[in-house]
Amino acid sequence: EDKVVQSPLSLVVHEGDTVTLNCSYEVTNFRSLLWYKQEKKAPTFLFMLTSSGIEKKSGRLSSILDKKELFSILNITATQTGDSAVYLCAVDETPDKLIFGTGTRLQVFP
Amino acid sequence: GAGVSQTPSNKVTEKGKYVELRCDPISGHTALYWYRQSLGQGPEFLIYFQGTGAADDSGLPNDRFFAVRPEGSVSTLKIQRTERGDSAVYLCASSSGQGVYGYTFGSGTRLTVV
Repeated sequence: EDKVVQSPLSLVVHEGDTVTLNCSYEVTNFRSLLWYKQEKKAPTFLFMLTSSGIEKKSGRLSSILDKKELFSILNITATQTGDSAVYLCAVDETPDKLIFGTGTRLQVFP
Repeated sequence: GAGVSQTPSNKVTEKGKYVELRCDPISGHTALYWYRQSLGQGPEFLIYFQGTGAADDSGLPNDRFFAVRPEGSVSTLKIQRTERGDSAVYLCASSSGQGVYGYTFGSGTRLTVV
């Protein structure tokens, strides 16, 4: 059965800390891996990864994919309270169907 | 519209009742998706429309769930004989056809069955 597993389930840090969120997957028809940030209800897109070893970066956030070991990490440096959210990892399985992990709830305290 | 609009934002219904949840996608987006997110879980795929037709409805949990998109734009998710286990946030997304890269999610409808 296809699955996406995220760890940790929950993380509490102080502003300025660096965090690493993990996502491992087992799917039959892998096309890409996506990271989303969910603050209230609507997930918002962060990154899409298709190739191993190529880091994607946006400000303090970065992500990389390892297709041999079937995992991805999302790094957030110098965390801020506005980074508090649930971070969702999803794998795109043909045709156009996303399989999500349970998410990592990040809480950043001042 | 500017984004994906879902109505109502919250719906409380009694067990056994029928509910309809509406999704208004971004104008021109041909693909539309419904997901269900239970508390503490990630979204789970329900159904995918390409135009007016359901291209993949493999995620619908049982025959109490049905979705339509008669004119290829607005979609309605219909749930008959609701059960307490149907309580969840129902998310809609639309895409311009760039696959998942072009996904835009709506803010969801929180359904509570009491």
